[in-house]
Amino acid sequence: DVKVTQSSRYLVKRTGEKVFLECVQDMDHENMFWYRQDPGLGLRLIYFSYDVKMKEKGDIPEGYSVSREKKERFSLILESASTNQTSMYLCASSLYATGREKLFFGSGTQLSVL
Amino acid sequence: AQTVTQSQPEMSVQEAETVTLSCTYDTSESDYYLFWYKQPPSRQMILVIRQEAYKQQNATENRFSVNFQKAAKSFSLKISDSQLGDAAMYFCACSYNNNDMRFGAGTRLTVKP
Repeated sequence: DVKVTQSSRYLVKRTGEKVFLECVQDMDHENMFWYRQDPGLGLRLIYFSYDVKMKEKGDIPEGYSVSREKKERFSLILESASTNQTSMYLCASSLYATGREKLFFGSGTQLSVL
Repeated sequence: AQTVTQSQPEMSVQEAETVTLSCTYDTSESDYYLFWYKQPPSRQMILVIRQEAYKQQNATENRFSVNFQKAAKSFSLKISDSQLGDAAMYFCACSYNNNDMRFGAGTRLTVKP
């Protein structure tokens, strides 16, 4: 089965730091996603990528950027971390961009910004 | 864009009993897809069941089934013969394109032995 690996399970950073969250998938999927999960709000899409070096903004891109230099790797960057970016971050991938495709998720990174 | 509402933040069920999790959605699209995802304590979300809106027949996957009411825009999940391993957060989702998937706020299911 598809494996989506997020580099850190827990991360603690200071306000103003530049933070990199890494995600790797091993099944040659075209599409990769970064979601933010907050209690009572469900999952909200930050950015997605449908090909190498291609990206599109999701619902809440402010304060974030992404990088996809290789097909298997999709990085989320917090340019200057703030306390309101404390959250669970989930990476996902899918083979096609059709609406019926299921997403394969990583185990999430719980980020705390102090 | 779609919106998804899960009105039950928490639900509880006795082991071996049946529980139904509610979900309503709103979309302007005529052709869309509905999902239930499970997030166990390990945090890795997995697909439980998927329904194509153009199919009238309700999807089933072993002990999991849905009640899809297209006119009412309702998509509930029924778990039969609940097991301790079913305890998790359950998220309802709706998508038109893969990059347009919207999730509900989630329902935390507790299974009592």
